[in-house]
Amino acid sequence: AQSVTQLGSHVSVSEGALVLLRCNYSSSVPPYLFWYVQYPNQGLQLLLKYTSAATLVKGINGFEAEFKKSETSFHLTKPSAHMSDAAEYFCAVTVWITGGGNKLTFGTGTQLKVEL
Amino acid sequence: EAGVAQSPRYKIIEKRQSVAFWCNPISGHATLYWYQQILGQGPKLLIQFQNNGVVDDSQLPKDRFSAERLKGVDSTLKIQPAKLEDSAVYLCASSLVGTPYYGYTFGSGTRLTVV
Repeated sequence: AQSVTQLGSHVSVSEGALVLLRCNYSSSVPPYLFWYVQYPNQGLQLLLKYTSAATLVKGINGFEAEFKKSETSFHLTKPSAHMSDAAEYFCAVTVWITGGGNKLTFGTGTQLKVEL
Repeated sequence: EAGVAQSPRYKIIEKRQSVAFWCNPISGHATLYWYQQILGQGPKLLIQFQNNGVVDDSQLPKDRFSAERLKGVDSTLKIQPAKLEDSAVYLCASSLVGTPYYGYTFGSGTRLTVV
């Protein structure tokens, strides 16, 4: 079964600094990988997804992630943090299963704090 | 396009009471998921439907939880009787059938508090 591990349950950065949120995956077959953001009392919003096309994926709000098979990683980055980026971020994985399945398996989340 | 609709947004019940949540997926999305998100944790899949058939309910506590998806559109998730540990956000999501390529769309969730 596939899984993801998010390193660091809390990350704090200064406004304008680089954001780096780490995600490592485990999968015996090529994975599909996702990053979601969750603001307080809201649902999950898709930031970006990797679907085996380009390894560098660009998403909304200036975020991007790079799929590195050799490192089994899919880290999320943003060059310059903004106060509005403060939220919880979830990495998730799924695989292609003919005939069904395809459930998303989530990591435990990383709470991003942005300080002035 | 309209998103995934869920109701109610909030619910407070006493333990041993019953509760039901409703979800209306995006039109045309054949696959529907219910996730449970306990505070401080990532969402965990409870049940997955494809049209009105169950694909995966391996993590659904079947002694107290039940779910149905009539006519392959709307879905309801029920808890009876509720326990304190059921306090969580219940998220509904939908996707096009057959491939994760197009992603998954989540509703805003129902926050359940059991007291």
